Amino acid sequence: RKEVEQDPGPFNVPEGATVAFNCTYSNSASQSFFWYRQDCRKEPKLLMSVYSSGNEDGRFTAQLNRASQYISLLIRDSKLSDSATYLCVVTVNTGGFKTIFGAGTRLFVKA
Amino acid sequence: DARVTQTPRHKVTEMGQEVTMRCQPILGHNTVFWYRQTMMQGLELLAYFRNRAPLDDSGMPKDRFSAEMPDATLATLKIQPSEPRDSAVYFCASGFSGTGNTIYFGEGSWLTVV
Repeated sequence: RKEVEQDPGPFNVPEGATVAFNCTYSNSASQSFFWYRQDCRKEPKLLMSVYSSGNEDGRFTAQLNRASQYISLLIRDSKLSDSATYLCVVTVNTGGFKTIFGAGTRLFVKA
Repeated sequence: DARVTQTPRHKVTEMGQEVTMRCQPILGHNTVFWYRQTMMQGLELLAYFRNRAPLDDSGMPKDRFSAEMPDATLATLKIQPSEPRDSAVYFCASGFSGTGNTIYFGEGSWLTVV
Protein backbone atom coordinates (compact mmCIF):
# COMPACT_ATOMS: atom_id res chain seq x y z
CA ARG A 1 0.00 0.00 0.00
CA LYS A 2 1.34 3.46 -0.90
CA GLU A 3 1.94 5.87 1.97
CA VAL A 4 -0.11 8.60 0.28
CA GLU A 5 -2.89 7.67 -2.13
CA GLN A 6 -4.79 9.88 -4.52
CA ASP A 7 -7.23 9.35 -7.34
CA PRO A 8 -5.11 10.04 -10.46
CA GLY A 9 -8.07 11.42 -12.42
CA PRO A 10 -8.13 13.12 -14.80
CA PHE A 11 -10.91 15.39 -13.69
CA ASN A 12 -12.39 17.27 -16.63
CA VAL A 13 -14.58 20.18 -15.51
CA PRO A 14 -16.03 23.31 -17.12
CA GLU A 15 -15.00 26.78 -16.03
CA GLY A 16 -16.89 27.86 -12.96
CA ALA A 17 -17.37 24.35 -11.61
CA THR A 18 -16.54 23.21 -8.11
CA VAL A 19 -14.19 20.25 -7.90
CA ALA A 20 -12.99 18.22 -4.93
CA PHE A 21 -9.90 16.07 -4.55
CA ASN A 22 -9.29 13.52 -1.84
CA CYS A 23 -6.23 11.87 -0.44
CA THR A 24 -5.56 9.24 2.22
CA TYR A 25 -2.35 8.55 4.12
CA SER A 26 -1.26 5.41 5.92
CA ASN A 27 1.03 6.63 8.72
CA SER A 28 -0.96 7.78 11.74
CA ALA A 29 2.18 9.54 13.05
CA SER A 30 2.16 11.97 10.12
CA GLN A 31 2.68 15.52 11.30
CA SER A 32 2.22 18.09 8.57
CA PHE A 33 0.03 18.12 5.50
CA PHE A 34 0.05 20.13 2.29
CA TRP A 35 -1.29 20.45 -1.20
CA TYR A 36 1.21 21.25 -3.93
CA ARG A 37 0.47 22.16 -7.51
CA GLN A 38 2.56 21.01 -10.47
CA ASP A 39 2.23 22.42 -13.96
CA CYS A 40 3.37 20.42 -16.98
CA ARG A 41 7.16 20.18 -17.15
CA LYS A 42 7.59 22.35 -14.05
CA GLU A 43 8.56 21.77 -10.46
CA PRO A 44 5.93 21.27 -7.73
CA LYS A 45 4.97 24.45 -5.86
CA LEU A 46 3.26 24.85 -2.54
CA LEU A 47 -0.45 25.58 -2.88
CA MET A 48 -1.46 25.53 0.78
CA SER A 49 -0.99 23.90 4.13
CA VAL A 50 -3.74 21.73 5.59
CA TYR A 51 -4.98 21.87 9.17
CA SER A 52 -7.63 20.01 11.16
CA SER A 53 -9.47 23.29 11.60
CA GLY A 54 -9.58 23.76 7.84
CA ASN A 55 -7.73 26.27 5.75
CA GLU A 56 -9.14 28.59 3.11
CA ASP A 57 -7.25 30.67 0.57
CA GLY A 58 -9.54 32.43 -1.86
CA ARG A 59 -11.26 29.79 -3.98
CA PHE A 60 -9.31 26.96 -2.36
CA THR A 61 -10.29 25.14 0.82
CA ALA A 62 -8.28 22.33 2.39
CA GLN A 63 -9.36 20.06 5.21
CA LEU A 64 -7.69 17.39 7.33
CA ASN A 65 -9.42 14.56 9.15
CA ARG A 66 -6.81 12.91 11.37
CA ALA A 67 -9.15 10.21 12.64
CA SER A 68 -9.84 9.00 9.10
CA GLN A 69 -6.35 9.90 7.82
CA TYR A 70 -7.98 11.82 5.02
CA ILE A 71 -7.12 15.12 3.34
CA SER A 72 -9.27 17.08 0.92
CA LEU A 73 -8.97 20.04 -1.42
CA LEU A 74 -11.95 21.95 -2.76
CA ILE A 75 -11.65 24.37 -5.66
CA ARG A 76 -14.60 26.69 -6.26
CA ASP A 77 -15.32 28.66 -9.43
CA SER A 78 -12.65 26.80 -11.43
CA LYS A 79 -10.51 28.83 -13.84
CA LEU A 80 -8.67 27.67 -16.94
CA SER A 81 -5.46 28.48 -15.08
CA ASP A 82 -6.31 25.90 -12.40
CA SER A 83 -5.49 23.14 -14.90
CA ALA A 84 -2.56 21.28 -13.34
CA THR A 85 -1.68 18.25 -11.25
CA TYR A 86 -2.49 18.54 -7.54
CA LEU A 87 -0.19 16.65 -5.20
CA CYS A 88 -1.14 15.59 -1.70
CA VAL A 89 1.85 15.77 0.68
CA VAL A 90 2.49 14.35 4.13
CA THR A 91 5.49 14.69 6.43
CA VAL A 92 6.62 12.22 9.05
CA ASN A 93 9.07 13.07 11.79
CA THR A 94 12.01 10.69 11.51
CA GLY A 95 14.64 12.93 13.02
CA GLY A 96 14.06 15.31 10.17
CA PHE A 97 10.77 15.67 8.32
CA LYS A 98 10.40 12.96 5.71
CA THR A 99 8.19 14.48 3.02
CA ILE A 100 6.14 12.07 0.96
CA PHE A 101 4.12 12.94 -2.13
CA GLY A 102 1.07 11.28 -3.57
CA ALA A 103 1.12 10.51 -7.28
CA GLY A 104 -1.13 13.49 -7.99
CA THR A 105 -4.58 14.20 -9.40
CA ARG A 106 -4.75 15.71 -12.85
CA LEU A 107 -7.26 18.53 -13.41
CA PHE A 108 -8.35 19.92 -16.76
CA VAL A 109 -10.60 22.98 -16.72
CA LYS A 110 -12.32 23.61 -20.05
CA ALA A 111 -13.81 26.80 -21.46
CA ASP B 1 14.08 35.55 -4.55
CA ALA B 2 15.76 32.70 -2.72
CA ARG B 3 15.57 29.52 -4.73
CA VAL B 4 16.95 26.02 -5.02
CA THR B 5 19.39 25.78 -7.90
CA GLN B 6 20.00 22.55 -9.80
CA THR B 7 22.54 21.67 -12.46
CA PRO B 8 22.53 20.44 -15.14
CA ARG B 9 19.03 21.35 -16.26
CA HIS B 10 19.17 18.81 -19.08
CA LYS B 11 21.51 15.89 -19.66
CA VAL B 12 21.63 13.24 -22.37
CA THR B 13 24.16 10.51 -21.76
CA GLU B 14 25.00 7.06 -22.97
CA MET B 15 24.28 3.95 -20.95
CA GLY B 16 27.18 3.11 -18.67
CA GLN B 17 28.34 6.70 -18.18
CA GLU B 18 28.53 8.41 -14.81
CA VAL B 19 26.05 11.18 -14.16
CA THR B 20 26.39 13.74 -11.37
CA MET B 21 23.59 16.14 -10.50
CA ARG B 22 24.15 19.07 -8.19
CA CYS B 23 21.87 21.09 -5.98
CA GLN B 24 22.35 24.32 -4.06
CA PRO B 25 19.66 24.53 -1.36
CA ILE B 26 18.15 27.79 -0.20
CA LEU B 27 20.57 29.51 2.17
CA GLY B 28 19.75 28.66 5.76
CA HIS B 29 17.72 25.55 4.98
CA ASN B 30 18.91 22.52 6.93
CA THR B 31 17.01 19.73 5.16
CA VAL B 32 17.61 18.64 1.57
CA PHE B 33 15.64 16.10 -0.45
CA TRP B 34 16.25 14.26 -3.71
CA TYR B 35 13.21 13.05 -5.67
CA ARG B 36 12.83 11.25 -8.97
CA GLN B 37 9.75 11.73 -11.13
CA THR B 38 8.56 9.61 -14.01
CA MET B 39 5.17 9.38 -15.68
CA MET B 40 4.66 5.91 -14.23
CA GLN B 41 5.89 6.39 -10.65
CA GLY B 42 5.15 9.98 -9.74
CA LEU B 43 7.49 11.68 -7.25
CA GLU B 44 9.65 9.10 -5.47
CA LEU B 45 11.75 10.13 -2.49
CA LEU B 46 15.28 8.89 -3.09
CA ALA B 47 17.11 10.35 -0.11
CA TYR B 48 17.13 13.22 2.32
CA PHE B 49 19.58 14.95 4.60
CA ARG B 50 19.29 17.02 7.76
CA ASN B 51 22.21 19.21 8.72
CA ARG B 52 24.17 17.39 5.99
CA ALA B 53 23.65 13.98 7.61
CA PRO B 54 21.79 11.36 5.55
CA LEU B 55 18.57 10.40 7.34
CA ASP B 56 16.90 8.10 4.86
CA ASP B 57 18.10 6.77 1.53
CA SER B 58 15.87 3.70 1.45
CA GLY B 59 14.26 4.87 -1.79
CA MET B 60 17.53 4.88 -3.64
CA PRO B 61 18.96 1.92 -5.61
CA LYS B 62 22.16 1.42 -3.65
CA ASP B 63 24.14 -0.42 -6.28
CA ARG B 64 24.37 2.53 -8.66
CA PHE B 65 23.11 5.64 -6.88
CA SER B 66 24.83 7.70 -4.21
CA ALA B 67 23.91 10.98 -2.55
CA GLU B 68 26.13 13.27 -0.51
CA MET B 69 26.31 16.72 1.00
CA PRO B 70 29.94 17.83 0.90
CA ASP B 71 28.92 21.10 2.56
CA ALA B 72 25.81 23.01 3.54
CA THR B 73 25.56 24.70 0.14
CA LEU B 74 25.93 21.63 -2.06
CA ALA B 75 24.12 18.32 -2.42
CA THR B 76 25.05 15.80 -5.09
CA LEU B 77 23.32 12.79 -6.60
CA LYS B 78 25.48 10.43 -8.61
CA ILE B 79 24.52 7.54 -10.86
CA GLN B 80 27.26 5.12 -11.90
CA PRO B 81 26.80 3.36 -14.23
CA SER B 82 23.67 4.93 -15.71
CA GLU B 83 20.99 2.83 -17.38
CA PRO B 84 18.09 3.77 -19.69
CA ARG B 85 15.60 3.10 -16.87
CA ASP B 86 17.21 5.98 -14.95
CA SER B 87 15.74 8.43 -17.48
CA ALA B 88 13.57 10.77 -15.41
CA VAL B 89 13.40 14.22 -13.89
CA TYR B 90 15.42 14.50 -10.69
CA PHE B 91 14.25 17.20 -8.30
CA CYS B 92 16.08 18.64 -5.35
CA ALA B 93 14.11 20.38 -2.63
CA SER B 94 15.07 22.11 0.60
CA GLY B 95 13.37 23.23 3.78
CA PHE B 96 13.97 24.18 7.37
CA SER B 97 12.68 21.92 10.11
CA GLY B 98 10.65 23.93 12.58
CA THR B 99 9.05 26.32 10.11
CA GLY B 100 6.02 24.23 9.22
CA ASN B 101 8.05 21.68 7.26
CA THR B 102 7.39 23.36 3.93
CA ILE B 103 9.83 22.45 1.17
CA TYR B 104 10.79 24.31 -2.00
CA PHE B 105 11.86 22.69 -5.24
CA GLY B 106 14.48 23.40 -7.81
CA GLU B 107 13.54 23.31 -11.49
CA GLY B 108 14.80 19.77 -11.86
CA SER B 109 17.47 17.95 -13.85
CA TRP B 110 16.00 16.24 -16.92
CA LEU B 111 18.05 13.09 -17.54
CA THR B 112 17.89 10.91 -20.62
CA VAL B 113 20.05 7.80 -20.79
CA VAL B 114 20.31 6.29 -24.26
